[in-house]
Amino acid sequence: GQQVMQIPQYQHVQEGEDFTTYCNSSTTLSNIQWYKQRPGGHPVFLIQLVKSGEVKKQKRLTFQFGEAKKNSSLHITATQTTDVGTYFCNEKLTFGTGTRLTIIP
Amino acid sequence: ETGVTQSPTHLIKTRGQQVTLRCSSQSGHNTVSWYQQALGQGPQFIFQYYREEENGRGNFPPRFSGLQFPNYSSELNVNALELDDSALYLCASSLEGAFSSYNEQFFGPGTRLTVL
Repeated sequence: GQQVMQIPQYQHVQEGEDFTTYCNSSTTLSNIQWYKQRPGGHPVFLIQLVKSGEVKKQKRLTFQFGEAKKNSSLHITATQTTDVGTYFCNEKLTFGTGTRLTIIP
Repeated sequence: ETGVTQSPTHLIKTRGQQVTLRCSSQSGHNTVSWYQQALGQGPQFIFQYYREEENGRGNFPPRFSGLQFPNYSSELNVNALELDDSALYLCASSLEGAFSSYNEQFFGPGTRLTVL
């Protein structure tokens, strides 16, 4: 079955540094969604990408969908302590393995 | 807050028992999906209900069953509990069936199930 892998599994960054998580699929994705789950919380929808090569921005967050629609990335510029959590990519009902971000103040 | 509620918040059961978890979807949403999230893992899709019919199922055994009511609230039932069933159970509501659409999912806070 389809697997959606994310790297890295964990990322520790100094506050103010950038952070990137990558999502890779073995099959072509129809769309990709990104969710954030704070520690002890539930996943919260961030954004959806549908078109090949699509790039969307939300303040310090930049989301990209690969040209072949098999990969996606989430980049956070100048991380803040509020960015702490696990970031998941998702296609329809299949979630990626997640990247857990911790911030060193 | 998403407007999706789940009950109970925590539950402790013993192996072999049965459990029922409940979910109220966000107003206007007709689709509910259930996920199991083990500690440190991503949510694993159990099944989805769309307008009271099962609309898709993940790789879970038949002892995981569900129901959706006319008001679109939903139940997840697990029979013959096993230790590995200990996890956070999340429900998510959306508009239309997510299997064939691109709609975002709104998650509830989850039910933490511990099986001893």
